[in-house]
Amino acid sequence: KNEVEQSPQNLTAQEGEFITINCSYSVGISALHWLQQHPGGGIVSLFMLSSGKKKHGRLIATINIQEKHSSLHITASHPRDSAVYICAVGNTDKLIFGTGTRLQVFP
Amino acid sequence: GAGVSQTPSNKVTEKGKYVELRCDPISGHTALYWYRQSLGQGPEFLIYFQGTGAADDSGLPNDRFFAVRPEGSVSTLKIQRTERGDSAVYLCASSSLSVGEQFFGPGTRLTVL
Repeated sequence: KNEVEQSPQNLTAQEGEFITINCSYSVGISALHWLQQHPGGGIVSLFMLSSGKKKHGRLIATINIQEKHSSLHITASHPRDSAVYICAVGNTDKLIFGTGTRLQVFP
Repeated sequence: GAGVSQTPSNKVTEKGKYVELRCDPISGHTALYWYRQSLGQGPEFLIYFQGTGAADDSGLPNDRFFAVRPEGSVSTLKIQRTERGDSAVYLCASSSLSVGEQFFGPGTRLTVL
């Protein structure tokens, strides 16, 4: 069983839809990261959180430490949101990554 | 300011050859990480530097892989006797704190023929 699991693996949406990506983990963490990776490989950090909820523009990330679960929400999705979204947990000095959720948003 | 840079962006080599991959972290970042990402997978940890020393090299797959950071800034990942299974995107990230936000470079795509 992977230490970090994401669902769904693939997600297709119509422009404007509300999107949720889930992440569950089984190890102790110092923080949880949500990352975005576009085709070509570049990874951008979206959020780093250790409790509660954070919001940046149309993106919202929540974490429940007791349940070892986090969600990434995208409101009013847009085709430019199409990317792979990766959940990673900080465990001591390194990140442990999920396999990513591939999101495609169609106009 | 400048982000994390990695060179080369692409490297094609033959099985058995030696390769070096370079990472220039954000100026002032003391923590530097190397990850490897195979096609369709999330990145996997290789090694972490705090300053000049390798604080955790538990992710290096075998002794063909070695990394250095002699002056606490630029780091080089060295792979000896490359194998086809080494083909992947090698990512570097840096951080101002050992448990802080990590900033990723664009990666080096290594192809071993």
